[in-house]
Amino acid sequence: AQSVSQHNHHVILSEAASLELGCNYSYGGTVNLFWYVQYPGQHLQLLLKYFSGDPLVKGIKGFEAEFIKSKFSFNLRKPSVQWSDPAEYFCAVNARSGGYQKVTFGIGTKLQVIP
Amino acid sequence: DGGITQSPKYLFRKEGQNVTLSCEQNLNHDAMYWYRQDPGQGLRLIYYSQIVNDFQKGDIAEGYSVSREKKESFPLTVTSAQKNPTAFYLCASQPTPTTNTQYFGPGTRLTVL
Repeated sequence: AQSVSQHNHHVILSEAASLELGCNYSYGGTVNLFWYVQYPGQHLQLLLKYFSGDPLVKGIKGFEAEFIKSKFSFNLRKPSVQWSDPAEYFCAVNARSGGYQKVTFGIGTKLQVIP
Repeated sequence: DGGITQSPKYLFRKEGQNVTLSCEQNLNHDAMYWYRQDPGQGLRLIYYSQIVNDFQKGDIAEGYSVSREKKESFPLTVTSAQKNPTAFYLCASQPTPTTNTQYFGPGTRLTVL
């Protein structure tokens, strides 16, 4: 069965610090990978996705993620966090399971930005 | 307006009662999903449906039931057999089951008293 691990459950950064949120998945076949964000009181929305091609993908609001197949990882990065970035971030994998495509989410990482 | 609607936003029920949460989409998406979101546990998949009249159990289907009689509708029933039903429930849809992004509804917060 596929699974997703997000290593940092709560991250506290100073404004302008660099951000990296870890995501590892376990699945042997082809996967599609996603990062979603949930701002306080808002819907979950897509930050970025990887289906194929260039393993470095760029998303909205200056976020990017790199797919490293050998490490089963899809870490999210941002060079400089801003006041608008506090939110909960979810990594997700879409892969084939029992003849169906199934999406599995990580438990989420809550980001806090401090002065 | 295109999108996914979930109603109501807040729902209260007495213990032992079944309750049905609504999810409707007018995006013409084939696939629909139900998740529950609990603090510290992320989103856990309850049921999903890739086509009308077909649905599959997710990771935590016990105590829940669904139907998919119409493409645009995927109601979730929380039965009295669900041991811990108080949670935030999210519905999502996806254009096709394979390579596309999920679009989420606003969620329903169910509280069982």
